[in-house]
Formats: sequence, C-alpha cells, structure tokens
Amino acid sequence: AQSVTQPDIHITVSEGASLELRCNYSYGATPYLFWYVQSPGQGLQLLLKYFSGDTLVQGIKGFEAEFKRSQSSFNLRKPSVHWSDAAEYFCAVTGGYQKVTFGTGTKLQVIP
Amino acid sequence: EPEVTQTPSHQVTQMGQEVILRCVPISNHLYFYWYRQILGQKVEFLVSFYNNEISEKSEIFDDQFSVERPDGSNFTLKIRSTKLEDSAMYFCASSVKGFSGNTIYFGEGSWLTVV
Repeated sequence: AQSVTQPDIHITVSEGASLELRCNYSYGATPYLFWYVQSPGQGLQLLLKYFSGDTLVQGIKGFEAEFKRSQSSFNLRKPSVHWSDAAEYFCAVTGGYQKVTFGTGTKLQVIP
Repeated sequence: EPEVTQTPSHQVTQMGQEVILRCVPISNHLYFYWYRQILGQKVEFLVSFYNNEISEKSEIFDDQFSVERPDGSNFTLKIRSTKLEDSAMYFCASSVKGFSGNTIYFGEGSWLTVV
C-alpha cells in the first residue's frame, strides 16, 4: 500500500530564510507525487507535482521539489520564505490509482 | 482558472440528522472524489466516482455515506445519520482522468460540525 511520511509536524523559520520540508513515500513502482498547501480554514492548493522527467520540479509561489528515487523522498524547498507562506503543507502520492494518499502535514510558522 | 466549488462552506447539524454536501466539479472532468480531514489530522480518502458509480471507497465510507451525481453538474455526499465523529472538513475533488499522471483538483472544503 502507498504511504507518505512527513517527519516534521511543525517547523519555524525566519522570514527570508531558506526552507526545506521533508517527505518520504512508500510505493512499489513509479510514484506520482504532489505538494499541496492549506491556509487555515481554506482548501488544498496544488503547489507542484512530479509525474516523470526532470526530477527537480518548479511550482507556484517560488517553491520547488526534488524527487530522489534512491531515498524515496520528495522534499519541498524555497530559497527565501515570506510571511505569507505560513500554512500547512501536505505531501501526497498516488501510484496510478484514483486514490491520493496524504501525509500528516507540516505546519510552517514564519517569524519576522 | 476553472475550480471545484463546494457548498455549504460551513454547516452545523445535530447528531442523527442527515447532511448533504454539494460540489460542482470542473466541467470537463470525469472523475470525482470526496476526502475528509478531521481537525488536526491528515486528509483521508473517502470515495471516488466515475461513470455514475463508485469506483473505489475506503473503510471510512460505510453505509452511512452515499454519493450521487443527480444532474450533469453536481456531485453530492450524503451522510444519513450524523455522528459526532463525522465532524470534519470535507473536500470534493475532480480530475480529467482517474489513472496515473493526472492532477486532482480540490475544492475549498465544507466544514461540518456535528453537535
């Protein structure tokens, strides 16, 4: 069965600092990976996705993620965090089925 | 950009009451989904729907739940007799196709509070 682990429940970074959110997945074949962001009381917005090809994918709002098959990881990065990036971030995987499996999420706090 | 819309955004209901959550998927999408997120927990898959029938459902989606596409645009989730533990954010989603490589687009969610 597919699964996603986000080891960091809560991360605090200073505005302007770099950010990396960790995501590890488990799936037997080629995964299809996503990062979603959720602001408080809001829905899920797709940041970026990896389906195939270049393992470094660019998303919206200056985010990028790198797929590393050898490490079963799909970490999300941003070189300089803005206060508006404070939200909860979910990594998700689907393996060719209709069901998307989400991680437990990482809450990002940005301090001045 | 086309989006998935959901109503109501928030509903409070008494335990034992029936609730219907409504969704309008993106117009050219063929696969429809419901997910839920209990406060503070991860987003969980409930059910997927294609060609007017359920194609996959999770163990959460028991006989209390049902889905329907009553017309060409709406997709509904019905909870027959709500329980306190049904309190959650319910997300509708849709995709063009259901198989690998297709993005699933989520709505803003419907907060359901059962009291």
